[in-house]
Amino acid sequence: DIQMTQSPSSLSASVGDRVTITCRASQGIRNDLGWFQQKPGRAPERLIYTASSLQSGVPSRFSGSGSGTEFTLTISSLQPEDFATYYCLQHNSYPFTFGGGTKVEIK
Amino acid sequence: QVQVVASGGGVVQPGRSLRLSCAASGFTFSNYGMHWVRQAPGKGLEWVAVIWHDGSKKYYADSVTGRFTISRDNSKNTLYLQMNSLRAEDTAVYYCAGIAVTGPDYWGQGTLVTVSS
Repeated sequence: DIQMTQSPSSLSASVGDRVTITCRASQGIRNDLGWFQQKPGRAPERLIYTASSLQSGVPSRFSGSGSGTEFTLTISSLQPEDFATYYCLQHNSYPFTFGGGTKVEIK
Repeated sequence: QVQVVASGGGVVQPGRSLRLSCAASGFTFSNYGMHWVRQAPGKGLEWVAVIWHDGSKKYYADSVTGRFTISRDNSKNTLYLQMNSLRAEDTAVYYCAGIAVTGPDYWGQGTLVTVSS
């Protein structure tokens, strides 16, 4: 099974900060990766698909990059509504696997 | 208007069975691979299972293989998860989701399964 190692597990940031979250795959997964945002008590929502494509309706301050084994989600200017937990998901091979999550908190 | 409504959760004793359902509307259900994803209390997301759009293939997480069965009825736009031999570690909110490689994804609100004696 492919393991997804996500870092950091949590971070504190201020509104307007640039935030970067990383996922590393235990083996190459091409660009078969999505990024999801989850707010407390809510279902996850996908922000990014195929590593770098922005889901329709998602603000352009979100971006994704990477391929192979290392991937990054960047929020260029953190907004109040972005405080949430973020997960990566690899869909290169079964079983699919999520990263452990990154909780973005207010500093 | 898209609706994805999961149901069937509840409290069940260890070793017993439960069947979850997920009723979808507002998108072309038969075009989507459908997934179950779970989240134990205070924990991260865990992918559980997928069934291809036509039901031809099914895949499972190692933790549920041999105990859980995913199925679908495209005539009813409904997804199912049959859960047998339940364990305490299966306690979680179970989400159903239609996820394509590209394009929109559709998630239900989740249904809570509690395995406890």
